[in-house]
Amino acid sequence: GAGVSQSPRYKVAKRGQDVALRCDPISGHVSLFWYQQALGQGPEFLTYFQNEAQLDKSGLPSDRFFAERPEGSVSTLKIQRTQQEDSAVYLCASSLLGLVDEQFFGPGTRLTVL
Amino acid sequence: AQKVTQAQTEISVVEKEDVTLDCVYETRDTTYYLFWYKQPPSGELVFLIRRNSFDEQNEISGRYSWNFQKSTSSFNFTITASQVVDSAVYFCALSGGSNDYKLSFGAGTTVTVRA
Repeated sequence: GAGVSQSPRYKVAKRGQDVALRCDPISGHVSLFWYQQALGQGPEFLTYFQNEAQLDKSGLPSDRFFAERPEGSVSTLKIQRTQQEDSAVYLCASSLLGLVDEQFFGPGTRLTVL
Repeated sequence: AQKVTQAQTEISVVEKEDVTLDCVYETRDTTYYLFWYKQPPSGELVFLIRRNSFDEQNEISGRYSWNFQKSTSSFNFTITASQVVDSAVYFCALSGGSNDYKLSFGAGTTVTVRA
């Protein structure tokens, strides 16, 4: 694939539901990042993977948020018991090696919690 | 802590006008990196430029130019002879120190170029 893809593009959940957001990074990219972008704001860092290892999860807002990348490629961001404040665009990015390599972003998943 | 401030929320110009986007940053790291990203209506962030803290040379790429001034902690971005396709949200971002993979973004500046 040419770029980072994310699915679904849009997700509506009722408060209390669990959701799973998928990210397919660029093939061969070692590093993968998740960001949360609230309306009218810049993206906020959530978590970072190098291959299958989650090296930094300091940005995850609560223990309801969980991310995994079991085989070092596709990643899933799971949000349990969604709350209205979880409504945002969730962006995934990948980079070849990490550190200060250019991060390539996907189109995002817009999550709306009712 | 790292912080990026983009004081301009929205800028509206007529095509062919120049537009300058301001970015001021705060960091305690001696080595850091500054970025600009463009977010068109489709939503994907598009990388425009990366500068490291030791390279204060200004850069020009086509109609885009960047002015990095360490003395004022600023990394401003100018679009010359703007076009309608330049309409987007532009984000300045910063990373550095031991977590130099972690981008800290400003709130963004929405640029609207009218025909």
